[in-house]
Amino acid sequence: NAGVTQTPKFQVLKTGQSMTLQCAQDMNHNSMYWYRQDPGMGLRLIYYSASEGTTDKGEVPNGYNVSRLNKREFSLRLESAAPSQTSVYFCASTLRGPETQYFGPGTRLLVL
Amino acid sequence: RKEVEQDPGPFNVPEGATVAFNCTYSNSASQSFFWYRQDCRKEPKLLMSVYSSGNEDGRFTAQLNRASQYISLLIRDSKLSDSATYLCAPKGSTLGRLYFGRGTQLTVWP
Repeated sequence: NAGVTQTPKFQVLKTGQSMTLQCAQDMNHNSMYWYRQDPGMGLRLIYYSASEGTTDKGEVPNGYNVSRLNKREFSLRLESAAPSQTSVYFCASTLRGPETQYFGPGTRLLVL
Repeated sequence: RKEVEQDPGPFNVPEGATVAFNCTYSNSASQSFFWYRQDCRKEPKLLMSVYSSGNEDGRFTAQLNRASQYISLLIRDSKLSDSATYLCAPKGSTLGRLYFGRGTQLTVWP
């Protein structure tokens, strides 16, 4: 099992560009999450999907959209990137509930 | 008040030392608590779960004090490989999410 995979690993964008961060899990998990991690700020929840077909906002959803494409995949889209979105983005999944979250390796995003 | 507060450290201890971190949480309805470990430039990984008063796993002990709303993580006989950031994460009352603290950085030196 690959666990949770994320693509790309690194990305540089210019202000105003759009991009989609991809996340997939092969553990048959029901719930999936997107976090961002900034120095000194810890992990902040952007969006989560408790089950296929549902999505909910977390603490910092502004500027992002998500799609739970199927049970395996949960993508995060930046429609118009801003320098404030420079961060490390982690995707996570759990079988049920939020407890034992398995994280992907992260995507490092720089917005110039 | 923040949902979760942790002393960011850094804690610098010699090998073999015992070190403890505290984490305070604001939601008195939280029922379960988790410690995650994050190595530099890596993803967080679950270290321990705490559902009642505490949990012990080898050199690691987590204790919960509901009255004072804090959980602690005790590491005995520290190893170089314990150097990492330790994230505290209570489960919120809202279904489907954890609240992560900013983490406590630990460096164990030889």
